[in-house]
Amino acid sequence: KAGVTQTPRYLIKTRGQQVTLSCSPISGHRSVSWYQQTPGQGLQFLFEYFSETQRNKGNFPGRFSGRQFSNSRSEMNVSTLELGDSALYLCASSLEGQSTDTQYFGPGTRLTVL
Amino acid sequence: LAKTTQPISMDSYEGQEVNITCSHNNIATNDYITWYQQFPSQGPRFIIQGYKTKVTNEVASLFIPADRKSSTLSLPRVSLSDTAVYYCLVGDAGRGSTLGRLYFGRGTQLTVWP
Repeated sequence: KAGVTQTPRYLIKTRGQQVTLSCSPISGHRSVSWYQQTPGQGLQFLFEYFSETQRNKGNFPGRFSGRQFSNSRSEMNVSTLELGDSALYLCASSLEGQSTDTQYFGPGTRLTVL
Repeated sequence: LAKTTQPISMDSYEGQEVNITCSHNNIATNDYITWYQQFPSQGPRFIIQGYKTKVTNEVASLFIPADRKSSTLSLPRVSLSDTAVYYCLVGDAGRGSTLGRLYFGRGTQLTVWP
């Protein structure tokens, strides 16, 4: 079974631009979560989608948004990029998004904002 | 939100047993404890999960005392390839929310020396 895939793997943008990251979960998984990882803040939860609905949201500004499609694939968008948005963005999928479900992480998208 | 506290770093030598302890004083009755491993520039990978007493799989053991306010991940006979960051997570069911509220924290950087 294929793992979680994320595209693109690397991205360079400039301040003020917007970016869209994509995540394809493991087949059969209905929950997709997004995380931001930086050296200063560690791994922080952004949001979780289940059946095309955002079910949980972390403490990030409204510039960070996401969506999930009927095939469970998910995208996250960051508008008006800031230097501080430079990070590794990780996507994780699980069967139902229960706390006992194992999360399977993708390799991440490394975003650099110049 | 159930938070966890772990040592920032630990050092060990090849062949030794490593025990990483995590504190989770606010763990709720229905919460499970999960440990993940992360190598640089990769997404975290599930290691083990438990609710109480002891759980063992092919890579690690998890010890949870009766009060469940802490847990210890035990890695037997570590090798250089076990050098990674280890995260302790507690599932926070919250107000019906599930996986989206997991708190990764900063994790423990384990360095294994030859």
